[in-house]
Amino acid sequence: EVHLVESGGGVVQPGGSLRLSCVASGLTFSDSWMSWVRQAPGKGLEWVANIKRDESERYYVDSVKGRFAISRDNAKNSVYLQMNSLRAEDTAVYYCATSGSDFWGPYRSWGQGTLVTVSS
Amino acid sequence: SYVLTQPLSVSVAPGETARLSCGADNINRFNVHWYQQKPGQAPLLVISHDDARPSGIPERFSGSNSGNTATLTISRVEAGDEADYYCQVLDNDNDHWVFGGGTKLTVL
Repeated sequence: EVHLVESGGGVVQPGGSLRLSCVASGLTFSDSWMSWVRQAPGKGLEWVANIKRDESERYYVDSVKGRFAISRDNAKNSVYLQMNSLRAEDTAVYYCATSGSDFWGPYRSWGQGTLVTVSS
Repeated sequence: SYVLTQPLSVSVAPGETARLSCGADNINRFNVHWYQQKPGQAPLLVISHDDARPSGIPERFSGSNSGNTATLTISRVEAGDEADYYCQVLDNDNDHWVFGGGTKLTVL
C-alpha cells in the first residue's frame, strides 16, 4: 500500500517562504511522477506542480511559476515544494499525490495534506 | 486554459441514481478521472480513464465520456456516497492538470 506523508506546513507572513516535504513508501519512488495539489479553505482542488522521476521535467500552474519550486530526493523517497513570495491566496491544504510511472495517469495515492496559512 | 464545468450541487434520494456532469469543449478527446472527497479527508480516485473502476470501488460507480460532457453515475445511492466529487483531465496543450470546480452530492 502506498503511503504519503506531508510535513512543513504552518503560518507564514505574506512575502515569506516555506518548504513542504512529502515522504513516500510502498511504491518504487524513483520511477514515479510526484505532484502537489492544493485546496483553499472551502474551495476545490487545484493542481500546483509535478516532477518527473529524474527531475528532467517539471510543470507548474501559472499562478505559482517563478515563486514555487518542486524538487525530489530519490535516495530519501521524498519530494519537496519550496514556496517563496507567499501570498494570502496561497493559503490552502497542500496534498502530495502520485500517478506512479504514468504521466497521464490519475492520482491513485494521496497524502493527508499539510495546511499552509499566509497571514500577517 | 482548459476549463471543466461541474454543477455546484446534486441531490438524490437513497436508492436513486445520481448523474454528475463535467462539461468542456470536446472533452471526449481527453481521459477523464473522477475523485470523491469527504469532509476532512484526502480525495479518493473512484473512476479513471473515463470509465475504469479502481480496485475496491463499488460497481455502483461508473463513468462515461462523450462529446462535450463526461458523466459520473452512481447507482443505488447510499448515505455514505455523500461527498464532493471532482473531475480531472490533463490539458495536452501545456501538460497541465485541470480539475473541475467540484459537485457536492447530497443524499436526501
